[in-house]
Amino acid sequence: AQKVTQAQTEISVVEKEDVTLDCVYETRDTTYYLFWYKQPPSGELVFLIRRNSFDEQNEISGRYSWNFQKSTSSFNFTITASQVVDSAVYFCALNVKETSGSRLTFGEGTQLTVNP
Amino acid sequence: ETGVTQTPRHLVMGMTNKKSLKCEQHLGHNAMYWYKQSAKKPLELMFVYSLEERVENNSVPSRFSPECPNSSHLFLHLHTLQPEDSALYLCASSQWINLNTEAFFGQGTRLTVV
Repeated sequence: AQKVTQAQTEISVVEKEDVTLDCVYETRDTTYYLFWYKQPPSGELVFLIRRNSFDEQNEISGRYSWNFQKSTSSFNFTITASQVVDSAVYFCALNVKETSGSRLTFGEGTQLTVNP
Repeated sequence: ETGVTQTPRHLVMGMTNKKSLKCEQHLGHNAMYWYKQSAKKPLELMFVYSLEERVENNSVPSRFSPECPNSSHLFLHLHTLQPEDSALYLCASSQWINLNTEAFFGQGTRLTVV
């Protein structure tokens, strides 16, 4: 069975601080994809990044960076110099192959609040 | 109009009512999904449609009935719901149901069952 754990339920920081959101996953599959989504107050989940299980290169996109460590089954997300607009719920997700296609399993999400 | 659109955004219904949630995508995607998001719980996948055929039904109670008349529209018909069914219902679409395909989500319908 697949599982995604986001141990941090809520994080509160002050603007300009760096913040790291943790994600730990479990799967027996060797081929899988990991995702991060952002859910602002408006409700829709917004895709941020995708990483496949064979690519452990870290990625940076502006103030966002992701650290994929297969040895610890973690895919952590860091926001540098956080801004108020970063306030949202962030979800980590794992996609593995199923007989009917694929199955996306989400973590419980981390509520990030960035205070001015 | 682009993206994934859900209507209504908010719905209050009694336990004996029948209502439907609508989802429309203008992305040319071939797969559509219904998710349930309850407080303090991970998103729960309810139904998956690929090329208008249902490919997954995760033991969802029969009081939830999906319908996919074409690749752009997805409905969730509701009847005799329970208060614990109150949640945010999210629709999503993706190009295919492949491993590497990201899903695009609508803003959800906030459902309250009274």
